[in-house]
Amino acid sequence: NAGVTQTPKFQVLKTGQSMTLQCAQDMNHNSMYWYRQDPGMGLRLIYYSASEGTTDKGEVPNGYNVSRLNKREFSLRLESAAPSQTSVYFCASRSSRVGAEETQYFGPGTRLLVL
Amino acid sequence: AQSVTQPDIHITVSEGASLELRCNYSYGATPYLFWYVQSPGQGLQLLLKYFSGDTLVQGIKGFEAEFKRSQSSFNLRKPSVHWSDAAEYFCAVGRGFKTIFGAGTRLFVKA
Repeated sequence: NAGVTQTPKFQVLKTGQSMTLQCAQDMNHNSMYWYRQDPGMGLRLIYYSASEGTTDKGEVPNGYNVSRLNKREFSLRLESAAPSQTSVYFCASRSSRVGAEETQYFGPGTRLLVL
Repeated sequence: AQSVTQPDIHITVSEGASLELRCNYSYGATPYLFWYVQSPGQGLQLLLKYFSGDTLVQGIKGFEAEFKRSQSSFNLRKPSVHWSDAAEYFCAVGRGFKTIFGAGTRLFVKA
């Protein structure tokens, strides 16, 4: 199993450009999450999807949209990138297996720089 | 309000010395508690978790943590640190989309 994969690993954008961050998991998890990580602030939840076909806002959703394409894939879109969106983005999925509930599994991250 | 505080932004310990990373939380209900480790350029890896039962939990890589309800703490410990333990450590509390992460403590290990 590859676990949680993210593409791309690095991206540089100009202000106003758009892009989509891709995330996929092969662990048959129902729940998936998008976080951003900024120095001194830990991880903050952008959006989550409790199950296929549903999405909900997290703590910092402004400037982002998401799509739960199917059970495996959960994408994050920046329609018009701003320098404040420079960050490291992590996708995670949550196990529903008995004994492993509540454990989140993280992807390797996407480092985004907006100029 | 729910929150997680990791009072130490960074800690430096000598290889072979003991380690304790502090975590305090504020949470309305019985908390689910986690410690994650992040190596440079990597995602977060679960070290250990506490849901209920024995308040001293064992994790991977020789780490353990103790839940102290009276102090609202969940401190991470390791008796002997290895150079490969140099990383950033995150405490988290909550469930699913209600999981809150601390700001992290960066561990430096000196020879």
